[in-house]
Amino acid sequence: ILNVEQSPQSLHVQEGDSTNFTCSFPSSNFYALHWYRWETAKSPEALFVMTLNGDEKKKGRISATLNTKEGYSYLYIKGSQPEDSATYLCAPMTTDSWGKFQFGAGTQVVVTP
Amino acid sequence: EAQVTQNPRYLITVTGKKLTVTCSQNMNHEYMSWYRQDPGLGLRQIYYSMNVEVTDKGDVPEGYKVSRKEKRNFPLILESPSPNQTSLYFCASSPDSYYSNQPQHFGDGTRLSIL
Repeated sequence: ILNVEQSPQSLHVQEGDSTNFTCSFPSSNFYALHWYRWETAKSPEALFVMTLNGDEKKKGRISATLNTKEGYSYLYIKGSQPEDSATYLCAPMTTDSWGKFQFGAGTQVVVTP
Repeated sequence: EAQVTQNPRYLITVTGKKLTVTCSQNMNHEYMSWYRQDPGLGLRQIYYSMNVEVTDKGDVPEGYKVSRKEKRNFPLILESPSPNQTSLYFCASSPDSYYSNQPQHFGDGTRLSIL
């Protein structure tokens, strides 16, 4: 079982502020990192799949970076809006467990107007 | 419309009464997976399937069975449900089998209550 840690567990952000949070994972046998956004009463929705060390991906106001050597990824939300309120999940993939997805517990983001 | 369809969406049943939650995808995806979500425990993988006739255990397979007889369907079977299987269940699919660099598409979820 992989040790996947997401921090903080939750955070409150004022509308318009930017924020970021972390996904930490074992760096050995790394293959890919998945990020998902999960709004209350909906199903998880894919944000990014990242594979290369130093990779940066962007989708609107949300971006992510990846450091495979030290085993972490940051997700950034720029100029948070109430619709960004959701739980953000990460899941690292390794080459010794094809097909297995182990999600972190998530970071719950609440954006208040 | 490309989608993953789960049925039923909600079910209340009793201990020991066999039930099946169906999952179907119309995207010709190789990979399919089942998860359960419990408060404080996040999403945990039950079973996954890399391709037709190929299934494997996730982190919490006890008490569940699956089959993958055709590419589009991946039913989750609870032979003798117990109250600790009360949970929110998600089915997901992905184009890839062995190279997990494609995202998963999730169904809308099935809320099961076992009394």
